Amino acid sequence: QKEVEQNSGPLSVPEGAIASLNCTYSDRGSQSFFWYRQYSGKSPELIMSIYSNGDKEDGRFTAQLNKASQYVSLLIRDSQPSDSATYLCAVNWYGNKLVFGAGTILRVKS
Amino acid sequence: DGGITQSPKYLFRKEGQNVTLSCEQNLNHDAMYWYRQDPGQGLRLIYYSQIVNDFQKGDIAEGYSVSREKKESFPLTVTSAQKNPTAFYLCASSDRRSTEAFFGQGTRLTVV
Repeated sequence: QKEVEQNSGPLSVPEGAIASLNCTYSDRGSQSFFWYRQYSGKSPELIMSIYSNGDKEDGRFTAQLNKASQYVSLLIRDSQPSDSATYLCAVNWYGNKLVFGAGTILRVKS
Repeated sequence: DGGITQSPKYLFRKEGQNVTLSCEQNLNHDAMYWYRQDPGQGLRLIYYSQIVNDFQKGDIAEGYSVSREKKESFPLTVTSAQKNPTAFYLCASSDRRSTEAFFGQGTRLTVV
């Protein structure tokens, strides 16, 4: 079983729509959860971190965490073509081991 | 400017050679990581270190070695035992409290 799983996509949404990205993880003891954005050929950029159950909003981004169901999601409101990228979910394991999912490709069509 | 610096940006290796990738951070972070990314793939953990003089193997450590003699530095050596080293290598560091990790700009290694 993969430790952090994401749908590879591509997920295509029209400009202005809400993009919903999902991630599940296997270790119930995980405490820290992150979303990174990676443009082609570039290194990942941290966009959201979440540590407790519920929602966390930052501008057009909302991260949602449900530890009982072991999933974390990212919502992008008013999607823009510049949001087109690969979104990586990362989970901090016990002992500070940071594990990534394979990423979801998002395409925002104008 | 605070940040993580990886060098070189591009590196070419001949068959059978060892090469060392540099990673330096001035963020005073305790933890440092090395990842490998192949085209169209996610990040796979090679090695990570939580404190000076200590490091742990990740999921794909075979053919790689690291050292952590200074808090600021975490160099990665790709040895000749790594049979398919062509990839994008990413170094990251994180604060012990927030555990948020930040990346360098990466090194593209190509075997010629």
